[in-house]
Amino acid sequence: ETGVTQTPRHLVMGMTNKKSLKCEQHLGHNAMYWYKQSAKKPLELMFVYSLEERVENNSVPSRFSPECPNSSHLFLHLHTLQPEDSALYLCASSRMPTGAGDGELFFGEGSRLTVL
Amino acid sequence: GENVEQHPSTLSVQEGDSAVIKCTYSDSASNYFPWYKQELGKRPQLIIDIRSNVGEKKDQRIAVTLNKTAKHFSLHITETQPEDSAVYFCAASSYNNNDMRFGAGTRLTVKP
Repeated sequence: ETGVTQTPRHLVMGMTNKKSLKCEQHLGHNAMYWYKQSAKKPLELMFVYSLEERVENNSVPSRFSPECPNSSHLFLHLHTLQPEDSALYLCASSRMPTGAGDGELFFGEGSRLTVL
Repeated sequence: GENVEQHPSTLSVQEGDSAVIKCTYSDSASNYFPWYKQELGKRPQLIIDIRSNVGEKKDQRIAVTLNKTAKHFSLHITETQPEDSAVYFCAASSYNNNDMRFGAGTRLTVKP
């Protein structure tokens, strides 16, 4: 498969559960991102990784924990989430970080998270 | 930090008409302005972008204009078709800033 793939596409979890979202990119890109998409709100950047090193962390609560084991894979570990964390979580990649001037983001189709 | 405002939040046009979506930004250092289209249940995809060294860019029925002085940029879609129906997001970013800021989106509906 080409592009950016995310699993699972849908996830329902209780507030005490621990789960993980997975993202894989097959584009040979060096930067990967997690964005949160809530209804009628701008896309919110959560984390940026460049060459497996975290370069941006936008004051995200510690109940969200990212992991980037290599330049092709990105995880978002979830624990003790709140109902307001329910949203679409989008993974994206780019050739270089957007701050390096190469702006195009390639998004996955997202993981729809519902926290009960 | 950068703040991007996008208007309108919803737009309905008749097939064949033009559609215009406007965005303003606050950070004068922003120099890259992409537009993404997100169809229902699909991923956002880049449709056109513009850098601060040009004022206008066109790609078939889609054009983007940039006014750096006023800090606003606009997306123009001509001869709209039903398949143009989607949510459109503008964004702004600058060198050395990995936080590309997005507008809240415009839901465009093209009625046949």
